[in-house]
Amino acid sequence: EVQLVESGGGLVQPGGSLRLSCAASGFTFSNYGLNWVRQAPGKGLEWVSYISSSSSTIYYADSVKGRFTVSRDNAKNSLYLQMNSLRAEDTAIYYCARAYCGGDCYSSNDYWGQGALVTVSS
Amino acid sequence: QSVLTQAPSASGTPGQRVTISCSGSSSNIGSNTVNWYQQLPGTAPKLLIYSIYQRPSGVPDRFSGSKSGTSASLAIGGLQSEDEADYYCAAWDDSLNGVVFGGGTKLTVL
Repeated sequence: EVQLVESGGGLVQPGGSLRLSCAASGFTFSNYGLNWVRQAPGKGLEWVSYISSSSSTIYYADSVKGRFTVSRDNAKNSLYLQMNSLRAEDTAIYYCARAYCGGDCYSSNDYWGQGALVTVSS
Repeated sequence: QSVLTQAPSASGTPGQRVTISCSGSSSNIGSNTVNWYQQLPGTAPKLLIYSIYQRPSGVPDRFSGSKSGTSASLAIGGLQSEDEADYYCAAWDDSLNGVVFGGGTKLTVL
């Protein structure tokens, strides 16, 4: 069974840092690209970042570029999101999602984690 | 302000057919495939339609997708109470080099 489990969320002050992790199981992790997608309270979905299976291709939304860094460790079946210079508007549930190449390999996400809540507040 | 435009709400009665639209541009829907997600309250999104009209295993054929030019549509036939959810369209955007989502449509089953 495919599983994605996020961890590392919590309360952080504006300007602070946080690192999210996503532990994957049930599939060959190194074969798939992955996305981070967030959802602010009561709002819609917002794509954050994409990383390819080998980490050779990485994309970021303009809203997080220069502040967030995505990475992965295929040996540990894990995806990470390092978030620096956090702002109140970064408050959201952060989901990791597997990119499905039966679709376009980027915007087709066939499995999602349960999400990790990040709250940026003083 | 979302790059893809969806009506904020839609409604229908059980058994009815409803359509949810998603409007984009030449850099996203116009040149790339479209996906649809269903998000039930308090849960993670679920892939409902990919590559414009393909259904993942387990998705009922009551759900169908289409695309014309820079717009896409999700149709739900034989509406059921459990279809009450938020629906999002998504596509790759060649100009932004990123994934763009619609703002979401909240479907109410009356």
